[in-house]
Amino acid sequence: GAVVSQHPSRVICKSGTSVKIECRSLDFQATTMFWYRQFPKKSLMLMATSNEGSKATYEQGVEKDKFLINHASLTLSTLTVTSAHPEDSSFYICSAREYTGELFFGEGSRLTVL
Amino acid sequence: GENVEQHPSTLSVQEGDSAVIKCTYSDSASNYFPWYKQELGKRPQLIIDIRSNVGEKKDQRIAVTLNKTAKHFSLHITETQPEDSAVYFCAASIQGNKLVFGAGTILRVKS
Repeated sequence: GAVVSQHPSRVICKSGTSVKIECRSLDFQATTMFWYRQFPKKSLMLMATSNEGSKATYEQGVEKDKFLINHASLTLSTLTVTSAHPEDSSFYICSAREYTGELFFGEGSRLTVL
Repeated sequence: GENVEQHPSTLSVQEGDSAVIKCTYSDSASNYFPWYKQELGKRPQLIIDIRSNVGEKKDQRIAVTLNKTAKHFSLHITETQPEDSAVYFCAASIQGNKLVFGAGTILRVKS
């Protein structure tokens, strides 16, 4: 199947700093990518839909100024957690839709804010 | 918007037994229903999916059934093995649109 790569897999940062997470579709082009947040033993919560060449669509309750999404090319979307705080610590996962419509997930990025 | 409910939240079965996980959805326009398996710390992996134009789909030990009238769909795993232990998520979407996930089911297969 198609491959989606996410980087970094783990990141630890100090409170108040910003962290960028990359999501790449390695062998297909994805006009649409999705960003999720997952708490321990919980389901995937959709944060936003990332559209290549246009603004992301954020789900209700997700701060767009806090979680900046950029989908600059057909193979790359980035999520930047700005001014991170301990409550932003979580597992962030991206997914990309391949031409068949199937969704492929990245490996996930575990963010720990100290 | 779409709401997906999933039951049970945890399920323990003996190796070799069958496991059934059930989901209901609210939006009758939803027409795509995938199931994902997620092992601890790993990414979700699609294990089977079904579209609204069929009522059942099977792939070896895994099957999914869909009842559009009742708006529910189920995952059936037969002859369970220890490696089936994981968290399973159902999801629903209107094709081409975002997926809404169920809360997940922790499946434990005891050997």
